[in-house]
Amino acid sequence: NAGVTQTPKFQVLKTGQSMTLQCAQDMNHEYMSWYRQDPGMGLRLIHYSVGAGITDQGEVPNGYNVSRSTTEDFPLRLLSAAPSQTSVYFCASQGTFSTDTQYFGPGTRLTVL
Amino acid sequence: DAKTTQPTSMDCAEGRAANLPCNHSTISGNEYVYWYRQIHSQGPQYIIHGLKNNETNEMASLIITEDRKSSTLILPHATLRDTAVYYCIVRPYGQNFVFGPGTRLSVLP
Repeated sequence: NAGVTQTPKFQVLKTGQSMTLQCAQDMNHEYMSWYRQDPGMGLRLIHYSVGAGITDQGEVPNGYNVSRSTTEDFPLRLLSAAPSQTSVYFCASQGTFSTDTQYFGPGTRLTVL
Repeated sequence: DAKTTQPTSMDCAEGRAANLPCNHSTISGNEYVYWYRQIHSQGPQYIIHGLKNNETNEMASLIITEDRKSSTLILPHATLRDTAVYYCIVRPYGQNFVFGPGTRLSVLP
């Protein structure tokens, strides 16, 4: 198993550009989520999904969209990038929402100029 | 949701046991205690979790007090590779994980 994979590893955007951060897992996990981590801070939940076709907002959803058309993939879209979205983005998955532990991807480091 | 309090930072000598405390005085009956760590901006890594009994796995031991208001993560023989930020998370059944700032553990040679 590759676990949780994220692409790209690094990305630089200009203000106003849009892009999609990719996340995939091969563990057949129901639950997937996106976090952002700013320097020296803990992780903050952006969006999450408890299964294909079901998504919900986390703590900091503004400026981001998600969809979950398959169990494996959970892309995060930045609609119009802003410097405040400069951060490290982590995707995570877990078997079931209620009790399982989370497994994290390696992260995408995004800089918005 | 129960909140956790952890020291900002700790040092530990290589080869010695690292004992990382966590206070969660408002924990309720259906809330689990989880520990994760994050090594140098990598994705967080699961370590261990428990409800009320002490737990041990190949990485660490988790000691939860009888009243469940605090817990301690024990790394029995810390190595330089254990230098990381350690997160204690109290998670209600069926709720999302909430990560605080954690404890920065430095293992010193």
